[in-house]
Amino acid sequence: AQSVTQLGSHVSVSEGALVLLRCNYSSSVPPYLFWYVQYPNQGLQLLLKYTSAATLVKGINGFEAEFKKSETSFHLTKPSAHMSDAAEYFCAVSNQGAQKLVFGQGTRLTINP
Amino acid sequence: DAEITQSPRHKIIETGRQVTLACHQTWNHNNMFWYRQDLGHGLRLIHYSYGVHDTNKGEVSDGYSVSRSNTEDLPLTLESAASSQTSVYFCASSEEHTGELFFGEGSRLTVL
Repeated sequence: AQSVTQLGSHVSVSEGALVLLRCNYSSSVPPYLFWYVQYPNQGLQLLLKYTSAATLVKGINGFEAEFKKSETSFHLTKPSAHMSDAAEYFCAVSNQGAQKLVFGQGTRLTINP
Repeated sequence: DAEITQSPRHKIIETGRQVTLACHQTWNHNNMFWYRQDLGHGLRLIHYSYGVHDTNKGEVSDGYSVSRSNTEDLPLTLESAASSQTSVYFCASSEEHTGELFFGEGSRLTVL
């Protein structure tokens, strides 16, 4: 069975500071990994995904994530936080070629002015 | 533009009543999913379908049912609603083998 653990249900950073949201996964087969963002009262939108190509994945809005197999991690980063980044972020895992995604518990990102 | 729509967006019902949440997608995706979102649990999979007449149980399927009579729709039915089913429900669809989900905007259900 696959699972995802997001470390920290709530992360707060200052505007302009580095954003780091942590995600560790468990999978018995090579995984596909995803980060989704949810703005208030909306559905989830894809930020980026890893599908066994380059280990450093660039997404929308300046976010990127690095797949580290040895650490079973897929942490999300952004060099400089913007107020508009305030949202909830979800990490998810699936089997390569499989269809179902398993989501983490989510991390709420707050940006302080 | 292709989209996925859910209705109703908000619903309040009494315990024991039946309710159906609609999900309609125009992406022509074979894969469709229903998740529920609860604080501290993230999104949990209720039911999913890989094509017409195909349905499968997810990790929290008790008390829920789905049917897939065409590509576009996957309605979710609560046969006898319980207070524990108060939640926000999200429908999603995806192309085969990409894993990328496209989400609706959610249906907030309150069971009193």
